[in-house]
Amino acid sequence: NAGVTQTPKFQVLKTGQSMTLQCAQDMNHNSMYWYRQDPGMGLRLIYYSASEGTTDKGEVPNGYNVSRLNKREFSLRLESAAPSQTSVYFCASSEYYRNYGYTFGSGTRLTVV
Amino acid sequence: KQEVTQIPAALSVPEGENLVLNCSFTDSAIYNLQWFRQDPGKGLTSLLLIQSSQREQTSGRLNASLDKSSGRSTLYIAASQPGDSATYLCAPEDDNYGQNFVFGPGTRLSVLP
Repeated sequence: NAGVTQTPKFQVLKTGQSMTLQCAQDMNHNSMYWYRQDPGMGLRLIYYSASEGTTDKGEVPNGYNVSRLNKREFSLRLESAAPSQTSVYFCASSEYYRNYGYTFGSGTRLTVV
Repeated sequence: KQEVTQIPAALSVPEGENLVLNCSFTDSAIYNLQWFRQDPGKGLTSLLLIQSSQREQTSGRLNASLDKSSGRSTLYIAASQPGDSATYLCAPEDDNYGQNFVFGPGTRLSVLP
């Protein structure tokens, strides 16, 4: 099925370890986004890529880096994981121009111990 | 900064009832508003997207309205079913970070058989 695919679905890291969350979409969307969802905080934007070749910070970018590898793929990297980064991470994509909504991936549940 | 609130935070109704979920946002200069459904431990599923030029959008038993000038949207669910039990999130499109949707905290709905 067409959509947004995230890997892995679950991950446990030790404090200080690094990892990359992968996201790919097959809808030819121009824009891609990374959100984190925490209890009581809702979804907050970490980074986004308005179009291939560009990336920008969102509301909560500290501790993360991103790469827009090509039009399909947008990865999120934690260089030195901290317990505060325990969260559920969602990738989303959309058409660049207005009047199109988001399609979300199924999420990655990350626990940092 | 766009702030989104949703009332009620939680709702429990018997099967068959019609119900209304409310969403308010502080910045009325939005382009679109999207309603999502999230099942426990799962990702977000798009329900309806209301474009800025529209006042309402319908899909099956769901009807969403948008009043930009007053900063409000409502999601109407007709003849509720136990399968409608989920958290419902509204997300107006914001202009602060590209084409970014800002998410409300959600309304947790339980439909009792």
